[in-house]
Amino acid sequence: QVQLVESGGGVVQPGRSLRLSCAASGFTFSSYAMHWVRQAPGKGLEWVAVISYVGGNIYYTDSVKGRFTISRDSYKNTLYLQMNSLRPEDTAVYYCAREWYQPPPASYCYYMDVWGKGTTVTVSS
Amino acid sequence: IVLTQSPATLSLSPGESATLSCRASHSVSSSLAWYQQKPGQAPRLLIYDTSNRATGIPARFSGSGSGTDFTLTISSLEPEDFAVYYCQRRSEPTFGQGTRLEIK
Repeated sequence: QVQLVESGGGVVQPGRSLRLSCAASGFTFSSYAMHWVRQAPGKGLEWVAVISYVGGNIYYTDSVKGRFTISRDSYKNTLYLQMNSLRPEDTAVYYCAREWYQPPPASYCYYMDVWGKGTTVTVSS
Repeated sequence: IVLTQSPATLSLSPGESATLSCRASHSVSSSLAWYQQKPGQAPRLLIYDTSNRATGIPARFSGSGSGTDFTLTISSLEPEDFAVYYCQRRSEPTFGQGTRLEIK
């Protein structure tokens, strides 16, 4: 079945780095744009980053620009989020999500129809 | 564009109908999606393009609206419907702040 499984979360000190992974299965990963979305404890959803099906057209929310890098490996069917210079305010559950399919060329619709269960990142000294 | 959801919390009983609102700060020429999130779970896409149910979503969920005002209606609430609901505008990466639907 269609599935996304995140990994790589943990407890990290401020200023350190962490790399999240999202393993995709059950669909043609290379055909879909992918997102990272996070949710701080007790808060709402915050979109973090998006990458196109071919690995371009990358966008970030302002608060992570210059610190986070989204990437993908379509041979491994895996999405990544490299997080550097982590801050306490980055503490959240991080979800990877699949963009609603639109035949190319199409701009992002930001609808997300498949989500992983999330991985927890805690930034604390 | 800011999406404002109301009410913040809605208390209803199973079998009742729920009406959740999502208001855009400016007229939205594009459509809207609704997501459901239960405690400890990932969000789930319910409605896309304002009124279309996603795959596997029961018919008791319906969406409507245009311009600045959008509505998610859940007819005859089931126990599993009590959750937090988020709206999101098409082509924009921001979500509303959510409405918590709780059992009265």
